[in-house]
Formats: sequence, C-alpha cells, structure tokens
Amino acid sequence: DGGITQSPKYLFRKEGQNVTLSCEQNLNHDAMYWYRQDPGQGLRLIYYSQIVNDFQKGDIAEGYSVSREKKESFPLTVTSAQKNPTAFYLCASSSRLDYGYTFGSGTRLTVV
Amino acid sequence: EDKVVQSPLSLVVHEGDTVTLNCSYEVTNFRSLLWYKQEKKAPTFLFMLTSSGIEKKSGRLSSILDKKELFSILNITATQTGDSAVYLCAVRLDDYKLSFGAGTTVTVRA
Repeated sequence: DGGITQSPKYLFRKEGQNVTLSCEQNLNHDAMYWYRQDPGQGLRLIYYSQIVNDFQKGDIAEGYSVSREKKESFPLTVTSAQKNPTAFYLCASSSRLDYGYTFGSGTRLTVV
Repeated sequence: EDKVVQSPLSLVVHEGDTVTLNCSYEVTNFRSLLWYKQEKKAPTFLFMLTSSGIEKKSGRLSSILDKKELFSILNITATQTGDSAVYLCAVRLDDYKLSFGAGTTVTVRA
C-alpha cells in the first residue's frame, strides 16, 4: 500500500540534544512538507521541498533543518536552537496540490 | 499576512444533532479551500472547494464556499460518535503551500 511513514511515533529527548524525525513516502510524490501542530494553533509550516536537493523555509523554520537527498525521504532535524521543540510533527506529501496533501501519522516529540 | 480563522474552536453535541463549522480567510492569493478531518494522528482529506456556491457532499457531510464573503462552512448532519475529531480548514496559496486554520474540535456524545 502506498503511503507516508513517520518514525518514531513517540520520541523523548533531553534539552540541548539534536533529534531527527524520519519521513518516507512511496507515493512517487514530488513535494514533501513538515508541519508542527500545537494545541489551539493548527498546523504551521516548517519546511517544504518541491524536488530532490531543494527545499524552502516555511513560516517557523528557525531551529530546524532538513535534507532531501532522495525523492522518497525528507528527514527533519530539531536542533538545540529550537526554543520550544515539544510538539506533534506531521509530514505530508503531494503530487498535485489540487487533491490536497497525504499526511503521515505524526511524531510526538517531548523534550525534557 | 495570510489568515485562516475557524470557529468555533470546539463544540460538544449529542448524537443526531447537526453541526455547522465555519472557516473565514484573508489571503493574498486564493487558489482553493480544503477541509480535513483529524481523528488521532493523520488528517484525512474531506473536500476541496474552488468555486462559490457549489455544494460538495459526501454522505452526511457537505461544504460550500463563498468567495465574495471569504468563508466556507462544513455541515455534518445526524452526527455520530465517529464524527468526533478535529476538523481543519486550509487555503491553498500557491502550487504547493497550504495555510491552515487552528481547527475545530467536535465531540459527539452518545
């Protein structure tokens, strides 16, 4: 079955540590996205990538980094520079935005 | 700044009730408006609206867009406990980006 896989589902890290969230899709979608979801704030765009080896900052990119070395993969690194990293992170992909995004199941990151 | 505002933020209803969710927007470049349902983890696509006044329906759910007044509504009739979820509204800004509202949490009590 085609879809997007995010791993892990839950992640705990100590403050000051970098952490990488995985996102893999087998839908042959060109574009991939990372969103952050906090209670009462909806989804906010962190980074997105339209093609391999290219990506753009979204609205809240500070403290995050990404890479797009393969079409199927778009990992997100939450660095120690991110002031409030505890959140639910959603990865998505699209081929044509006419039909909206396909979302992964998310990773809940807790930094203690 | 692009804005997508959903109301109410949350509501509680009983099974069989009808629910109306609102989404208003102020964006620089409107392409289309989308509704998603998020039950636990991954949002799932419900509707995409591009033209004013044309109702989209799927079972007990329906949605309509008013591009003059810049809003959309999502209706759920004869609600069931399985309709309990967060409903997200998003506006397509360009070929790739969506701007999301904060969501409306719907709780349906048996």
